[in-house]
Amino acid sequence: DSGVTQTPKHLITATGQRVTLRCSPRSGDLSVYWYQQSLDQGLQFLIQYYNGEERAKGNILERFSAQQFPDLHSELNLSSLELGDSALYFCASSAYSDSRHADTQYFGPGTRLTVL
Amino acid sequence: KNQVEQSPQSLIILEGKNCTLQCNYTVSPFSNLRWYKQDTGRGPVSLTIMTFSENTKSNGRYTATLDADTKQSSLHITASQLSDSASYICVVSGAGTASKLTFGTGTRLQVTL
Repeated sequence: DSGVTQTPKHLITATGQRVTLRCSPRSGDLSVYWYQQSLDQGLQFLIQYYNGEERAKGNILERFSAQQFPDLHSELNLSSLELGDSALYFCASSAYSDSRHADTQYFGPGTRLTVL
Repeated sequence: KNQVEQSPQSLIILEGKNCTLQCNYTVSPFSNLRWYKQDTGRGPVSLTIMTFSENTKSNGRYTATLDADTKQSSLHITASQLSDSASYICVVSGAGTASKLTFGTGTRLQVTL
C-alpha cells in the first residue's frame, strides 16, 4: 500500500460526458502528479501540483483540467469525453516540488476509465 | 528532444535465471534516473533512484547501474522469481528549470517455470 488513494476504482461513462477523478496524497506529501496510461502504452505525464499551485504541465488536453485543494487532495476533471480517453489514470505524490529532487514518487492504484 | 529508450521490449526467462534490462536516454542536462516495477493494471512501484554521482544502487535482488557519460542505465535482476513478472520502466528527470520526467515505454518481463 503506497498510502496514495484514488477514487473511484472504475468508471464507465458515455462519450460527451464529464467525470471527476479524485486523489489523496500520502500524509506529508505536497506534490501531486497525474498520469494517463492507455492500453499497452507507456505512462504519459499530464500535470503536477505542489501545495495548491500548478507546477508543471505535460501532454494534458484542453478538455482536461485539475486542481489541488487546501487539504492537498487533487481532482482531475475530464470533459467532452471521447472513446480515446479510455485509460488508466494514475495519481502519484511526493514530498518535493520538483522531480530534480531524487525523492520517490508514490503511485496510487489508479482509476480505470471506460468511455463507451 | 528528450527521449528514453528501453530494450528489449519484452523478455521471457526461466525462474531462477538472471536478466539485464537496458535504458538509454538523451535527456540533458541530467538530474536523476529511476526504475519502476509495474504489475499489470496496478500503479508503478519505485525500485531505485540514482543521481549523477551514483554508479550503482541495489534494492534486494534488483541492481541498477548508471553511466552518465554514455547516458546508459541497466537493471539487473538476480535469481528471478515468478513475482518478478511485470513491466519495468526507466524514467529520467532533467535538470532544467522546467524539469519534467521522461518515461520509457518499459520492458515487459515474464518469468516462467
